[in-house]
Amino acid sequence: GESVGLHLPTLSVQEGDNSIINCAYSNSASDYFIWYKQESGKGPQFIIDIRSNMDKRQGQRVTVLLNKTVKHLSLQIAATQPGDSAVYFCAETINQAGTALIFGKGTTLSVSS
Amino acid sequence: DGGITQSPKYLFRKEGQNVTLSCEQNLNHDAMYWYRQDPGQGLRLIYYSQIVNDFQKGDIAEGYSVSREKKESFPLTVTSAQKNPTAFYLCASSTLGQDGYTFGSGTRLTVV
Repeated sequence: GESVGLHLPTLSVQEGDNSIINCAYSNSASDYFIWYKQESGKGPQFIIDIRSNMDKRQGQRVTVLLNKTVKHLSLQIAATQPGDSAVYFCAETINQAGTALIFGKGTTLSVSS
Repeated sequence: DGGITQSPKYLFRKEGQNVTLSCEQNLNHDAMYWYRQDPGQGLRLIYYSQIVNDFQKGDIAEGYSVSREKKESFPLTVTSAQKNPTAFYLCASSTLGQDGYTFGSGTRLTVV
């Protein structure tokens, strides 16, 4: 079974809104988490990552929050744009062991103008 | 520029045939991975390799085989034993213990 999953399969927002995409993970030993964006027919594109010794990390227009207590991960996208429309995946791994990333099913974000 | 290259982009296979998907990286990454993605689904791990001449099965290894004779290359063979091979195949690489997993652009395999 999957150890990482997203709460909602789809999310629709208006351009300019803030988007929040959620993810739950089940392996408490995971120490490295990544959010990917995937456009149709393409490989996943790195958005932002976070290690387990942090609870928040910010990038350009994106923020990842990690709550280890409840094993929850979220991706916040500020001022969502039509170009943000894609499928978003969270992934987890035990980075020091070199184990593979485990992915959830993904959330499809649709941004309307 | 360093990167990871998958070829071909599209591949058609007749039933009963084996086909090999290529994955090459010039990032000097230690580890390489193969994932399968079905429509509307997440990525499922087929095989991965942390070091040359060694590899481990992932969650869905049945019907697939790999080799890791060189650090730069991790080809995936889809054998005739794989009953439902039509999917999008993604290769990735990483450096052990460090940030960043890089993905290729994928190979779409269709059985005809």
